[in-house]
Amino acid sequence: AQSVSQHNHHVILSEAASLELGCNYSYGGTVNLFWYVQYPGQHLQLLLKYFSGDPLVKGIKGFEAEFIKSKFSFNLRKPSVQWSDTAEYFCAVVDSNYQLIWGAGTKLIIKP
Amino acid sequence: DVKVTQSSRYLVKRTGEKVFLECVQDMDHENMFWYRQDPGLGLRLIYFSYDVKMKEKGDIPEGYSVSREKKERFSLILESASTNQTSMYLCASSFSNEQFFGPGTRLTVL
Repeated sequence: AQSVSQHNHHVILSEAASLELGCNYSYGGTVNLFWYVQYPGQHLQLLLKYFSGDPLVKGIKGFEAEFIKSKFSFNLRKPSVQWSDTAEYFCAVVDSNYQLIWGAGTKLIIKP
Repeated sequence: DVKVTQSSRYLVKRTGEKVFLECVQDMDHENMFWYRQDPGLGLRLIYFSYDVKMKEKGDIPEGYSVSREKKERFSLILESASTNQTSMYLCASSFSNEQFFGPGTRLTVL
């Protein structure tokens, strides 16, 4: 079965630090990849997505992610985080049955 | 903007009660989903529906049922709530694989 792995359950950074959250998936076919974010007390919302084309995808709020097919990875990055980036981040991939397979999530805490 | 609404943000029920969670979307999406979200487990799919009156089991359907009588409404039913169903329940609708989520219902079963 397809799976999505997020390497860290908790990440704690200081403001202005650079961020990289890892995401690896097991599905070997054509993939649609997503990063969702859930701010405290708010609903899940889409951060960015990759369907095809340029493997470097830019999302909202300065986030970007790079699809590396050979590594089955879709890591999320931000060069300088802010306190308001404190949230839980979920990676997801559409599998062969057109269902979203979710990672377990990474809780990001930014120290002011 | 797509709007997905859920009937309650917080709900407290007793063991054995029948529980209805309602979800409504306003974008004419054909696909709708119910997930539960638990710490460290991410989102787990309970049921989904790809059309009116059509439903499919997800990864953890046991103890749940669903109803889709109208395109915009997808209901999750707990026939006899149990304490292990205490969780955050998220509804989503989708277009072109991108899912749009409601605010969630935090259900506590005592």
